[in-house]
Amino acid sequence: QVQLQQSGPGLVKPSQTLSLTCAISGDSVSSSSAVWNWIRQSPSRGLEWLGRTYYRSKWYIDYAASVKSRIIINADTSKNQISLQLNSVTPEDTAVYYCTRRFGDLWGQGTLVTVSS
Amino acid sequence: DIVMTQTPLSLSVIPGQPASISCKSSQSLLHSDGKTRLYWFLQKPGQPPQLLIYEVSNRFSGVPDRFSGSGSGTDFTLKISRVEAEDVGVYYCMQTVQLPLTFGGGTKVEIK
Repeated sequence: QVQLQQSGPGLVKPSQTLSLTCAISGDSVSSSSAVWNWIRQSPSRGLEWLGRTYYRSKWYIDYAASVKSRIIINADTSKNQISLQLNSVTPEDTAVYYCTRRFGDLWGQGTLVTVSS
Repeated sequence: DIVMTQTPLSLSVIPGQPASISCKSSQSLLHSDGKTRLYWFLQKPGQPPQLLIYEVSNRFSGVPDRFSGSGSGTDFTLKISRVEAEDVGVYYCMQTVQLPLTFGGGTKVEIK
């Protein structure tokens, strides 16, 4: 059974870095048919795609323009997981963060991240 | 960015009655590979969204056949033939034809 298990802190201080990981079981992070996304959801912004990574003979990464200057998405093949780093966070980054596979056929459980001092 | 507009905002349905949700995109969702990249999700309270329909009209594994999707180009519809109590939640459409992936604002379905 394929699962995505998210982990990371639920509280981040303003101006600091939000870091989340998404451990993949039952599939390979470097699968030639998989694409791994980070999506967040907040009452003010709805569902917002942040970026993706996938492997097709080499690694590709795409970011949303709204966060491009602050975001890093990585894949770790040794741990079979992806990670999200969002720098210089503000209260506007408070949201539930999800990792997903492909077009959303699989979702992580979600992590509520609150940005507050 | 492609804007996805869902209507109505909310729907109150008597169990056993049909329901219909519209999703309109600001650009065609027809990909150069011939597939139309429109997806439907249901988010139940406290859960992540779950995939119902992919590429306009294909039911995802385990999705009851009372759910159906139709449409083309920029105009799409999700229909529930007979609403059941377990269908309550917020429905979203999403496009993947162009980055960034974008979602509709959601349609809340409740039971009357």
